[in-house]
Amino acid sequence: AQKITQTQPGMFVQEKEAVTLDCTYDTSDQSYGLFWYKQPSSGEMIFLIYQGSYDEQNATEGRYSLNFQKARKSANLVISASQLGDSAMYFCAMREATSGSRLTFGEGTQLTVNP
Amino acid sequence: DTEVTQTPKHLVMGMTNKKSLKCEQHMGHRAMYWYKQKAKKPPELMFVYSYEKLSINESVPSRFSPECPNSSLLNLHLHALQPEDSALYLCASSQREGQLFYEQYFGPGTRLTVT
Repeated sequence: AQKITQTQPGMFVQEKEAVTLDCTYDTSDQSYGLFWYKQPSSGEMIFLIYQGSYDEQNATEGRYSLNFQKARKSANLVISASQLGDSAMYFCAMREATSGSRLTFGEGTQLTVNP
Repeated sequence: DTEVTQTPKHLVMGMTNKKSLKCEQHMGHRAMYWYKQKAKKPPELMFVYSYEKLSINESVPSRFSPECPNSSLLNLHLHALQPEDSALYLCASSQREGQLFYEQYFGPGTRLTVT
């Protein structure tokens, strides 16, 4: 079974609008961390935001926020006020307490921001 | 300074060649990682070094040989590769191995083509 599911292979958004990228996860661990990374066409993976399983507040970092719904096992990324430079592949990833250093990635969502 | 550097950026090698990929970080991180990423797929973990010792080898073929000479440097030695080994090779580092909340910082990657 997929541990991280990103159901949107591609998403389009108009510049200055908000967009939500979906991520659901599957784990039996009580302790886990969820990450979002951005990968532009240049290749570098850029860390965006982190949410711990015990964090009660949704994580926010500038224009990025994570909509964490633990009971639904979802960790959606919300990008507000989209910019052309936000066009990239976005990966959701999870680290489980029992898996040590291993980051399990989803298949990614290709976001395109239109002017 | 949150930079991980990788050299070379591009590498073309024949199946009989021996080459090395280099990764460097000066953030004082004690965990370093090698990932392989095929086009339009998520990164796949290959190796993890923790305090300069090999911690995880994800059953990688022996034609890939990692080395961690010191806490700042990580090498990946390549020998007798196959065309299917062509991919983007990403290096990453984190403060420590195994802690849920330590994000991994990625380098820009080396695009490897095996002819």
